[in-house]
Amino acid sequence: DTEVTQTPKHLVMGMTNKKSLKCEQHMGHRAMYWYKQKAKKPPELMFVYSYEKLSINESVPSRFSPECPNSSLLNLHLHALQPEDSALYLCASSQDRAGSNNEQFFGPGTRLTVL
Amino acid sequence: QKEVEQNSGPLSVPEGAIASLNCTYSDRVSQSFFWYRQYSGKSPELIMSIYSNGDKEDGRFTAQLNKASQYVSLLIRDSQPSDSATYLCAVNTGDMRFGAGTRLTVKP
Repeated sequence: DTEVTQTPKHLVMGMTNKKSLKCEQHMGHRAMYWYKQKAKKPPELMFVYSYEKLSINESVPSRFSPECPNSSLLNLHLHALQPEDSALYLCASSQDRAGSNNEQFFGPGTRLTVL
Repeated sequence: QKEVEQNSGPLSVPEGAIASLNCTYSDRVSQSFFWYRQYSGKSPELIMSIYSNGDKEDGRFTAQLNKASQYVSLLIRDSQPSDSATYLCAVNTGDMRFGAGTRLTVKP
């Protein structure tokens, strides 16, 4: 089973709203990632969790707040977003962050629109 | 210099031909290399991973790695219209770095 699930598939929110994106994997992977992808651009790394600890925050604005409740779940809390934050938000997981077990598998993504 | 560079294309090949996609990377200590396929509006799908110099074949796909030249490529044999997508080269330098992607169109 190489499935990563994400909910919701689509999200429309206003700039004053608070919402959360969810990601789940049951592959026993110990590293999980959030990426942001704008149209016709490659994915940009936002956050990395390794063994449930945040190990990288790629200078992401504080209006994005990650959470890793357990090794299978990853959340991204959104608050006071801007229209330019509209993008496809991708979750990925890998067995480990480094070494030969670092193949990353992506979920289907959440298409976010900020009005 | 970008960490991972790809020819953005678009690359157009006729059905049944070989499509050749190329990628160069700047970090010599990189050990893990990947090709992802991304259809429009969908998420990236891992199609090949390669860790050592040489060729790795999987069905119609062959990945080639040359660490001395810091070069990785993907060959798609017997290209099909369903192969039309954007192909992302990715290099793990501690974390995954993606190239800009090459858009491939296979014409019937």
